Amino acid sequence: GENVEQHPSTLSVQEGDSAVIKCTYSDSASNYFPWYKQELGKRPQLIIDIRSNVGEKKDQRIAVTLNKTAKHFSLHITETQPEDSAVYFCAATTDKLIFGTGTRLQVFP
Amino acid sequence: GAGVSQTPSNKVTEKGKYVELRCDPISGHTALYWYRQSLGQGPEFLIYFQGTGAADDSGLPNDRFFAVRPEGSVSTLKIQRTERGDSAVYLCASRRDSSEAFFGQGTRLTVV
Repeated sequence: GENVEQHPSTLSVQEGDSAVIKCTYSDSASNYFPWYKQELGKRPQLIIDIRSNVGEKKDQRIAVTLNKTAKHFSLHITETQPEDSAVYFCAATTDKLIFGTGTRLQVFP
Repeated sequence: GAGVSQTPSNKVTEKGKYVELRCDPISGHTALYWYRQSLGQGPEFLIYFQGTGAADDSGLPNDRFFAVRPEGSVSTLKIQRTERGDSAVYLCASRRDSSEAFFGQGTRLTVV
């Protein structure tokens, strides 16, 4: 079955700097790769997603890249702000949605 | 419209008791997922339904855990003979086709 690994587990950056979170997956049949943000005590919420027929997708300060050959995908956040502080999860799926272990991002003002 | 709704939001039960956790998905969403999330961890897959049938239940930890979705909408996760290690937040998510999965607010289960 699918296995998703996520790094780093914690990431601290200064406000305005960029943050990059990386994930690898094992099932080459996976075709959909969402990223979720979870604030303390809240439910996970989708921030961006990418499908396997696309290499890169951008939405304002957030971008995701996908390398199908290497089976890895990354989340890039530019011009980080304190409100970006949260736990971020990647996931991979054909139908069964499997999550990574999460990255706690702290943005210091 | 309404999002994914989970009840109860909190449940405290004694070790050895039986509990039922309910999930009301978004109307029209054919796929429904159950996850377990412990503090500081990612959502751990338990089971996934397509319509009424369990398409994949490989994440259920043992035979004390069971889930149903008899009419292809509401789902119930059932845990028998609860143990302290079952304490966690149980998350439900629903999805239409291969699109975004929407999460409920979770049920925090505490076994004392």
